[in-house]
Amino acid sequence: ETGVTQTPRHLVMGMTNKKSLKCEQHLGHNAMYWYKQSAKKPLELMFVYNFKEQTENNSVPSRFSPECPNSSHLFLHLHTLQPEDSALYLCASSQDSQGDYNEQFFGPGTRLTVL
Amino acid sequence: GQNIDQPTEMTATEGAIVQINCTYQTSGFNGLFWYQQHAGEAPTFLSYNVLDGLEEKGRFSSFLSRSKGYSYLLLKELQMKDSASYLCAALDSNYQLIWGAGTKLIIKP
Repeated sequence: ETGVTQTPRHLVMGMTNKKSLKCEQHLGHNAMYWYKQSAKKPLELMFVYNFKEQTENNSVPSRFSPECPNSSHLFLHLHTLQPEDSALYLCASSQDSQGDYNEQFFGPGTRLTVL
Repeated sequence: GQNIDQPTEMTATEGAIVQINCTYQTSGFNGLFWYQQHAGEAPTFLSYNVLDGLEEKGRFSSFLSRSKGYSYLLLKELQMKDSASYLCAALDSNYQLIWGAGTKLIIKP
């Protein structure tokens, strides 16, 4: 495996379910990110981890809970979601989260539908 | 507040040239990125500008004017595979990327 991988690619869940999204990067990077992408809206940064420490939480509702056990893996735990949470959830990684030229590499995303 | 503006959609003809504009307002500035995103796929990096001027990379070029808060992506010799969304993102003083909503580029034969 190379680059950034995400599983599952598609997820349909009810509002009372609990599920987790997984992201893995094989690039030796130290920073990982969760984004939400809704149709015709800018990418919304949700969480940033740098060297396994959470450095950014952009006022994300507590029904989204991130976990970063090491620099290569990132999870997003989901519970009691709302239909408006339906979106594409993208994971990205970069060398670190500070510094100017800091290209982010994205995974293919998880298309989430909340019924 | 911080803001990125780019057109929602553009249409161009195969073989032609198209320019996608982006204006930004951010708290501090540490550079501007362009990404390409095909439908259903991950965004992929195209270019990064931090100094004024034009950066050329094959058929794609990116321009930056820091004084005007303006950038553009220039695509030459358009091919059908260039049909995609093009995302502009500015790096603010906290090294956080502020994203535009993307420009959907439609290429017609």
